Amino acid sequence: KQEVTQIPAALSVPEGENLVLNCSFTDSAIYNLQWFRQDPGKGLTSLLLIQSSQREQTSGRLNASLDKSSGRSTLYIAASQPGDSATYLCAVTQGGSEKLVFGKGMKLTVNP
Amino acid sequence: DTAVSQTPKYLVTQMGNDKSIKCEQNLGHDTMYWYKQDSKKFLKIMFSYNNKELIINETVPNRFSPKSPDKAHLNLHINSLELGDSAVYFCASSQVFTVYGYTFGSGTRLTVV
Repeated sequence: KQEVTQIPAALSVPEGENLVLNCSFTDSAIYNLQWFRQDPGKGLTSLLLIQSSQREQTSGRLNASLDKSSGRSTLYIAASQPGDSATYLCAVTQGGSEKLVFGKGMKLTVNP
Repeated sequence: DTAVSQTPKYLVTQMGNDKSIKCEQNLGHDTMYWYKQDSKKFLKIMFSYNNKELIINETVPNRFSPKSPDKAHLNLHINSLELGDSAVYFCASSQVFTVYGYTFGSGTRLTVV
């Protein structure tokens, strides 16, 4: 059974820091991995999707990497801003299934 | 706007009532889902439909009944609501096995009193 873990559960940093958010999964037979952002009381916004054959994806200040063999992904946020404050969720799909298995998320607070 | 839209956004109801949540997507995706986010913010799949066919049913009480009249719509009907059903319910869609991943709706916050 696939399990996704995100540690730490919360992080508070001053503005301007470069951040690394971690995600690990127990079953390396994934189809893809997707990072989402959730603002309080809002839905999920997709940030980046990495297919199992890819090593990384970039969008603006965000870079996500995937090491399937070790069951790990990292989301790198450059030059963090207060507007980056949100909960970040990592989720994977297994080969043969479109079911997303989520981690419990990491609540990020970027202080001005 | 291309999106996944769900209604209502908020739903407050008494125990024992029956309620429905509606979801529509105009992205042309072939698969739609219902996810539940509990009080600890953990997201877990409930159902998925592919082209109106039920694909995933994840040990959900049979008081919950999804219905997909066409591939652009997936509704969730809940009978005999219980306090423990209070949660945020998210609808989502995807095109199976493509590079585009999931798109989520903005959620329906259900409160059972």
